[in-house]
Amino acid sequence: QKEVEQNSGPLSVPEGAIASLNCTYSDRGSQSFFWYRQYSGKSPELIMSIYSNGDKEDGRFTAQLNKASQYVSLLIRDSQPSDSATYLCAVKGRTGTASKLTFGTGTRLQVTL
Amino acid sequence: DTGVSQNPRHKITKRGQNVTFRCDPISEHNRLYWYRQTLGQGPEFLTYFQNEAQLEKSRLLSDRFSAERPKGSFSTLEIQRTEQGDSAMYLCASSLGGTGTDTQYFGPGTRLTVL
Repeated sequence: QKEVEQNSGPLSVPEGAIASLNCTYSDRGSQSFFWYRQYSGKSPELIMSIYSNGDKEDGRFTAQLNKASQYVSLLIRDSQPSDSATYLCAVKGRTGTASKLTFGTGTRLQVTL
Repeated sequence: DTGVSQNPRHKITKRGQNVTFRCDPISEHNRLYWYRQTLGQGPEFLTYFQNEAQLEKSRLLSDRFSAERPKGSFSTLEIQRTEQGDSAMYLCASSLGGTGTDTQYFGPGTRLTVL
């Protein structure tokens, strides 16, 4: 079982729709969760971070965390063509262990006109 | 620009040559990380420093790889006797350790091609 799993996609949504990206993780003790956006040939750019169960909203983005189900999601409202990118889910281990992030393989999002 | 910077941005080398990459973190950040990313995969952790101390190394970091952060500021990653399998994007990230969030911010990466 991979430590962080994401559907590789592509996930295709029409402009203006809601895109829903999902991620599951295996380490139940994980404490911090991040979503990064990566355009082709570029480096990851932080979109959202979430640490507690529930929802966290930032503009058009909402991150959702359910630690009991070991599940993190990212919702993008009013999707724009500029949102077309690969979205990486990253998980940081429990407090006191290494600071490293473990990434999923990413979900490629395509927003169509 | 006060973000993470990396040099060079691209490096093409022949198999067997040594290469060195440099990373300059965000100025107040005391933690620095190296990751490697191949096509279609997420970044994979290689190593990280807190100030000048190298606190963790991945099993991916073979003895051909060495990283330093001599004064707790910039860091270098050297690959000796490069192999074609080393071709990848090498990413550096930094964070302000000791805070609750410890969010990592990535530099633009160095793309290595080994011929």
